[in-house]
Amino acid sequence: AQSVTQPDIHITVSEGASLELRCNYSYGATPYLFWYVQSPGQGLQLLLKYFSGDTLVQGIKGFEAEFKRSQSSFNLRKPSVHWSDAAEYFCAVADEGVKAAGNKLTFGGGTRVLVKP
Amino acid sequence: DARVTQTPRHKVTEMGQEVTMRCQPILGHNTVFWYRQTMMQGLELLAYFRNRAPLDDSGMPKDRFSAEMPDATLATLKIQPSEPRDSAVYFCASGLVRSRGHTEAFFGQGTRLTVV
Repeated sequence: AQSVTQPDIHITVSEGASLELRCNYSYGATPYLFWYVQSPGQGLQLLLKYFSGDTLVQGIKGFEAEFKRSQSSFNLRKPSVHWSDAAEYFCAVADEGVKAAGNKLTFGGGTRVLVKP
Repeated sequence: DARVTQTPRHKVTEMGQEVTMRCQPILGHNTVFWYRQTMMQGLELLAYFRNRAPLDDSGMPKDRFSAEMPDATLATLKIQPSEPRDSAVYFCASGLVRSRGHTEAFFGQGTRLTVV
């Protein structure tokens, strides 16, 4: 069964500093990978996704993520954090759509990001 | 602006009462997910549908939870009877999945359920 691990429960970063959130997945084949962001009291918004091709993917709000098959990782990065980036971030994995029961999205436990002025 | 709509946004109910949560997926999407979010368990998949047919509801307590899609524009999640441990935020998400490949899931704003 597929699984996702986000090792950091909380991260505090100063405004303007860089941010990296870790994500490791467990899945037998090539996964579909996603990063979502959740602001307090809101639903989840997609930041970016990886399906195939270039392993460095760009997303919204200045975020990017790199797929590393050898490390089973899909870490999220942002060069300069803004106070509005304070939120909870979720990494997720889905399998291919060839099976009738495929495409389940499995989420990691989330990383809460606090931004210091 | 296409979005997933969930109603109600908030629900407070007494233990033992029936609760029904509704979701309107994005028009044209063929897959609907129900997730539950709690502090302790994070995001748990309860059930999901493809073309209105249930594909997997193994995450749902069968004795009290039920999920249906009466038509392509409405998904419902029902709890009967409700218990305090059901207090959580329930998210609906929809996506378009083709025979091969995947697309992202679009989430609604959630229903915050409190059972007292």
